Amino acid sequence: DQQVKQNSPSLSVQEGRISILNCDYTNSMFDYFLWYKKYPAEGPTFLISISSIKDKNEDGRFTVFLNKSAKHLSLHIVPSQPGDSAVYFCAASGLFGSARQLTFGSGTQLTVLP
Amino acid sequence: DAGVIQSPRHEVTEMGQEVTLRCKPISGHNSLFWYRQTMMRGLELLIYFNNNVPIDDSGMPEDRFSAKMPNASFSTLKIQPSEPRDSAVYFCASSSRGAGGYEQYFGPGTRLTVT
Repeated sequence: DQQVKQNSPSLSVQEGRISILNCDYTNSMFDYFLWYKKYPAEGPTFLISISSIKDKNEDGRFTVFLNKSAKHLSLHIVPSQPGDSAVYFCAASGLFGSARQLTFGSGTQLTVLP
Repeated sequence: DAGVIQSPRHEVTEMGQEVTLRCKPISGHNSLFWYRQTMMRGLELLIYFNNNVPIDDSGMPEDRFSAKMPNASFSTLKIQPSEPRDSAVYFCASSSRGAGGYEQYFGPGTRLTVT
């Protein structure tokens, strides 16, 4: 039972254009959402997050949008750069027990073509 | 500041041998998480600790897996005996429960190969 889904395993975008990565979730108890970026042979690196009380959060070239009614979030990267090529994981956070756990999607491999 | 430190970075062992993976969380973080990444199952949570106490180990696949956190700066994940299907990348992550401390910070991972 996948609670966080990234339905696109891969995405290719031309340098300078916009990259849009999508993520859907099913558990309405999630109240915080995060995007991680992962390069080969490295651990996932936190990129940007959004609380469920907001619908948009922006940090430089990265913007995350949250649509709670649709249980959908997306990450926009504009303009895309070759260095953005990596696997992007969507994660959802909820307070289960006495610590926050993250539930990860399966990841989307983004390739930015020069 | 040092991030999460994991050792070894690579481990190759034969089936049946004991394997111990090590993790040093970020200083001041009081939650520690062990994950396993495979092609088939993606990133899956194995166990997490809060203030050195195991809170949820429901993700631990079998009794062959065990984890300890003897103090706030060190944790181990042990597999005994190891099997080829345990081959994966194992990540350790830590986080703080402070305001906005929902983010988990990951180590570089240990790539385990069991032959």
